[in-house]
Amino acid sequence: DTAVSQTPKYLVTQMGNDKSIKCEQNLGHDTMYWYKQDSKKFLKIMFSYNNKELIINETVPNRFSPKSPDKAHLNLHINSLELGDSAVYFCASSQPRADSSYNEQFFGPGTRLTVL
Amino acid sequence: GQNIDQPTEMTATEGAIVQINCTYQTSGFNGLFWYQQHAGEAPTFLSYNVLDGLEEKGRFSSFLSRSKGYSYLLLKELQMKDSASYLCAVRIGGNKLTFGGGTRVLVKP
Repeated sequence: DTAVSQTPKYLVTQMGNDKSIKCEQNLGHDTMYWYKQDSKKFLKIMFSYNNKELIINETVPNRFSPKSPDKAHLNLHINSLELGDSAVYFCASSQPRADSSYNEQFFGPGTRLTVL
Repeated sequence: GQNIDQPTEMTATEGAIVQINCTYQTSGFNGLFWYQQHAGEAPTFLSYNVLDGLEEKGRFSSFLSRSKGYSYLLLKELQMKDSASYLCAVRIGGNKLTFGGGTRVLVKP
């Protein structure tokens, strides 16, 4: 039933560790995204994939590596976690339209990452 | 750079009307979105404007003036469940959305 799902919902880990967050959408959308929402609630785009191809790659440390095994999944792997990585990470998906009109993004429930 | 400004917080009474303003200065413009985000939850889509004017959807309306780089979201007949953050986002080419910091609306009885 869930449109965009993420696991885990909460992730608490030590500095220096490597962790992954998984995202799946069952909406049949071609485009998926990763966003980071910090403590000040700013929601910032990190990456976007369209049909498994990377199309948006914002200024993100290369410790962050997205992977899209198929168009329904977009995972985020983070190496050498730092304190500043603590945030809520949202996955989203959308379906581009042929006429380039708007395509609302559907967000997952978020993964709250806490780095100690 | 991209600049999207909205007030940090607003308080209103149940049954009243609240208007949340958003001004933007961006390197491109391909539409403006409003999203609602309850505490601890995902943002959910409210409205989209790409042409100047008012779009109405039930108790919520959104207005856009492209020449002024300005939008507002109007919430009428406020209900307690409308207490949430409201995020203004500009679509800058393709699928990229740039979000403002959000406006936290607190509805009081």
